[in-house]
This record gives sequence, C-alpha cells and structure tokens, in this order.
Amino acid sequence: KAGVTQTPRYLIKTRGQQVTLSCSPISGHRSVSWYQQTPGQGLQFLFEYFSETQRNKGNFPGRFSGRQFSNSRSEMNVSTLELGDSALYLCASSGRQGAYEQYFGPGTRLTVT
Amino acid sequence: AQSVTQPDIHITVSEGASLELRCNYSYGATPYLFWYVQSPGQGLQLLLKYFSGDTLVQGIKGFEAEFKRSQSSFNLRKPSVHWSDAAEYFCAVGARGANNLFFGTGTRLTVIP
Repeated sequence: KAGVTQTPRYLIKTRGQQVTLSCSPISGHRSVSWYQQTPGQGLQFLFEYFSETQRNKGNFPGRFSGRQFSNSRSEMNVSTLELGDSALYLCASSGRQGAYEQYFGPGTRLTVT
Repeated sequence: AQSVTQPDIHITVSEGASLELRCNYSYGATPYLFWYVQSPGQGLQLLLKYFSGDTLVQGIKGFEAEFKRSQSSFNLRKPSVHWSDAAEYFCAVGARGANNLFFGTGTRLTVIP
C-alpha cells in the first residue's frame, strides 16, 4: 500500500500571502489529522477530519483551516502568513477515528519570508 | 490536561550498547501511548503502540516499551543499538475517541561507533 503523500514537499511564501497544502491518506483511511512541527513548540495538533467533517481542532488561530474531500484527501490552508508559521506541516492518516495508530506523511516544509 | 514529558533532550550511546528512552505522561483516563521515530527531513514512523493488555509491547526494529501505570511511564528500550537508530524519538499520548495526539519534545539519539 502506498503511504501518506503530501504535496508540495517544500514551499517558500511571503508574509501576508496564503498557502494551501495537500495530503492524500493511505488508501481506505478516512481520518486525516494535521500537525505543525517547529523547533520552539514541537509537534502540535492542528485539526482532524473524518468523513469530510472536522472532528477535533487544536489551539490555533482561525487563519488555519482545512477541509476533506469525499475521497478522503485533505487540504489545509493558512491565510495571511506570518513569519512564525514557518514549520514542517505533517499529515497523518488513520483507518478509523479514535487515537488508533496514525501514519504520517513526509511533511511539507513551509518557509515564510 | 494531557501532557508528555521526555526528560532527556539528547542521548549518546555506543553502537551495540543498550538504550532506554524515558517518557512520562499525564492523562486522566487510560491513555493510548505511542513511540514514533523521525529521521532528519522525514515524517514520523510509528515504532510501537499501547492500547491495553500486556504492558510490555514489542515494536519494529527491535524496540520494546513497557507501560507502568503506577509511574505514568512508557519507556522505550532496545537491547543493542545500531548506527541506523540515530534519529529523534517522540513519545505521544492519545485519548479514546479522538485522533489528536499530544507529543513530547523528543529525544535526539546519537550513536557513536
């Protein structure tokens, strides 16, 4: 089975712009979670989608949003980018909802200048 | 509130030596516990998980972990470390019914020949 794929792998944006990141889960997985990883804050949960519905949300501002499509692919969007949004954004998929094992993609490295 | 503490930021071991990485968690109910490994520039790979039952769990790459409820710990062990084990290791706790994991700050493992 193919693993979790994330596109693009690297991205450079300017402050104030917006960005959309994409995640394709493992085939058959319906849950997709997003995490932000920074040297200062570590790994932090952004949100989780299951069957196209946001089930859980972390403590991030409204500039961070996401959605999930009927094929379980997910996108996250960050509007009005700030320098502090520079991070590795990781997507994880799970076969079911409920903190069962999650499988992570390679991440998208976002740099905001 | 859930939290995970990994008290060792960096550990150096000789190849062939044994390894123990510490993890303490805080969680109000029975936790789901995980260990992940991250190589530079990569996503997270699941090493092992504990949901219930036998408190000693086996994972991939020869790793094992022991859940000790009385100590709120879930330490990761390996009897003989290989140079390829050099990476960053993350302990995480999750709750039933939710896919948001809380991660520790990670322990960076260096293996010297």
